[in-house]
Amino acid sequence: EDQVTQSPEALRLQEGESSSLNCSYTVSGLRGLFWYRQDPGKGPEFLFTLYSAGEEKEKERLKATLTKKESFLHITAPKPEDSATYLCAVQAQRGRGSTLGRLYFGRGTQLTVWP
Amino acid sequence: GAVVSQHPSRVICKSGTSVKIECRSLDFQATTMFWYRQFPKQSLMLMATSNEGSKATYEQGVEKDKFLINHASLTLSTLTVTSAHPEDSSFYICSARGREGSPLHFGNGTRLTVT
Repeated sequence: EDQVTQSPEALRLQEGESSSLNCSYTVSGLRGLFWYRQDPGKGPEFLFTLYSAGEEKEKERLKATLTKKESFLHITAPKPEDSATYLCAVQAQRGRGSTLGRLYFGRGTQLTVWP
Repeated sequence: GAVVSQHPSRVICKSGTSVKIECRSLDFQATTMFWYRQFPKQSLMLMATSNEGSKATYEQGVEKDKFLINHASLTLSTLTVTSAHPEDSSFYICSARGREGSPLHFGNGTRLTVT
């Protein structure tokens, strides 16, 4: 069964303290891995898509990387405004019975950055 | 970037009544939209896939007669929670994808409270 596991569940960082969030996945043929940011009471906001092992994407203080088994979201010198829940989702290659475009989400990592 | 608009953002209703939630893709056509439900500190759970011009595909365990989905046009899908009960109280989020291979974009969610 396709699964997505994110760790840690919660992470508290001091402003400027870099760290990484992990997303490990088991899926029968990865079509794409997605990172989203979700603020309380809001819908997820798209950050990155990664398609193949070795790929990296960057946006401001965030960098996402991908291997065959996991993805990391690196946060460099975070600021309080980076506080949010970060969600990882994978899309499998379409197979028998699967829903086209379906994403499997992890539970997220709740990041808190304090000044 | 792609924008998905969801209304209302919050709704409080009495037990036994029905509530309709709208999801619109504002700057692209979406042949497929997805409806999710999210409990506090939990992952997004896919409820159903809404296909323009055809019946929705529901995930296992989701009652199709209780959660009515209509995808009347390429830019609008609606979710109606019929005969709502307190256990239906949750955060409902829709998402849509434009062209094949593009990421899912999410609405800002609807907080439903059934009293």
